[in-house]
Amino acid sequence: GAVVSQHPSWVICKSGTSVKIECRSLDFQATTMFWYRQFPKQSLMLMATSNEGSKATYEQGVEKDKFLINHASLTLSTLTVTSAHPEDSSFYICSASYDRPSTDTQYFGPGTRLTVL
Amino acid sequence: AQKVTQAQTEISVVEKEDVTLDCVYETRDTTYYLFWYKQPPSGELVFLIRRNSFDEQNEISGRYSWNFQKSTSSFNFTITASQVVDSAVYFCALSEAQNYGQNFVFGPGTRLSVLP
Repeated sequence: GAVVSQHPSWVICKSGTSVKIECRSLDFQATTMFWYRQFPKQSLMLMATSNEGSKATYEQGVEKDKFLINHASLTLSTLTVTSAHPEDSSFYICSASYDRPSTDTQYFGPGTRLTVL
Repeated sequence: AQKVTQAQTEISVVEKEDVTLDCVYETRDTTYYLFWYKQPPSGELVFLIRRNSFDEQNEISGRYSWNFQKSTSSFNFTITASQVVDSAVYFCALSEAQNYGQNFVFGPGTRLSVLP
């Protein structure tokens, strides 16, 4: 149980275009989803936290107008990288948690590798 | 504030050697959770273990074992008789209980290379 999927697994786009990445919880309802970014040979850095039906909370230094997050349902969150530039090339990983008293774990998706030319 | 330190950036061992990956954490909470994840070259994070702050028992799972020492704020991970398939980046992470799984803080990771 607790499977999280991401789509696409990789994407290549031209500079200036927008890219949407989907994150789905397949067998549970995720009240909270998280988006991370990982540059080569670096650790995961939290970008934002999103709760279903409300606006995402962005970490300091993350441009909310550039990285649009929508958590429209309990099983789907999307991250849109708007007007992508080469410096946005990275590995984006989402995770999800569900609201139970014993919840203390995030379940991670397989990641999406974005390359902006 | 939470912080996770993994002092070893890269480790290389020869197959069948034992290797220990260090993790030191900082938190002001009395209740928290510690995790280890493996990230192979494919990129997908593989969950290895979760430990809560009240459970200091060491754990063994096959060739993997974990040593949790609250007194030194450490949660070290040992692979016994390492294999080439163990080559990956290993992350230690900390989550404070009050946030129910939010505010995961990852350490910088340790890249393990197991040579044949």
